[in-house]
Amino acid sequence: NAGVTQTPKFQVLKTGQSMTLQCAQDMNHNSMYWYRQDPGMGLRLIYYSASEGTTDKGEVPNGYNVSRLNKREFSLRLESAAPSQTSVYFCASRPMGLADTYEQYFGPGTRLTVT
Amino acid sequence: GENVGLHLPTLSVQEGDNSIINCAYSNSASDYFIWYKQESGKGPQFIIDIRSNMDKRQGQRVTVLLNKTVKHLSLQIAATQPGDSAVYFCAEHASYGKLTFGQGTILTVHP
Repeated sequence: NAGVTQTPKFQVLKTGQSMTLQCAQDMNHNSMYWYRQDPGMGLRLIYYSASEGTTDKGEVPNGYNVSRLNKREFSLRLESAAPSQTSVYFCASRPMGLADTYEQYFGPGTRLTVT
Repeated sequence: GENVGLHLPTLSVQEGDNSIINCAYSNSASDYFIWYKQESGKGPQFIIDIRSNMDKRQGQRVTVLLNKTVKHLSLQIAATQPGDSAVYFCAEHASYGKLTFGQGTILTVHP
């Protein structure tokens, strides 16, 4: 199993450009998450999808949209990139139905720079 | 412990020493806590977790302690090795499968 994969690994955008960050998991997990990580800070939740067909806002959703394409894939779109969106973006997934754990499995991240 | 701001707390230890990383959490209703390790350029990796009905849980070389009275969590690493050097995050769960992360502590292990 590859686990959680993210593409691209690195991206540089100009202000105003758009792009989509891709995430896929092969663990048959129900829930998927998008976080951003800024220097000196923990991970902040942007959007999440508790199950296929549903998406909800997290702590910092402004400037982003998401699509839960199917059970495997959860994409994050920046419609008009701003320098404040320079960050490292992590996707994570979690199985449902396990009462003892809320462990999330993380991808390797996408490092995005907006100039 | 965890601090608000841009400068992460740091902990430097010698190889072979025991390390203790602290975390203060905010929500008294949180029912589950987890520690992650993040190496440079990688995503967070699970270390150990604990539910709120416990006060201690042990893994291989790691122990998590939970003090709900003062809303404090700690991670103890025994016989710390250079490969343990990383940023360590605590996170709490309160609702809907969402985790809220602390800001992290940088652990540096000197050979």
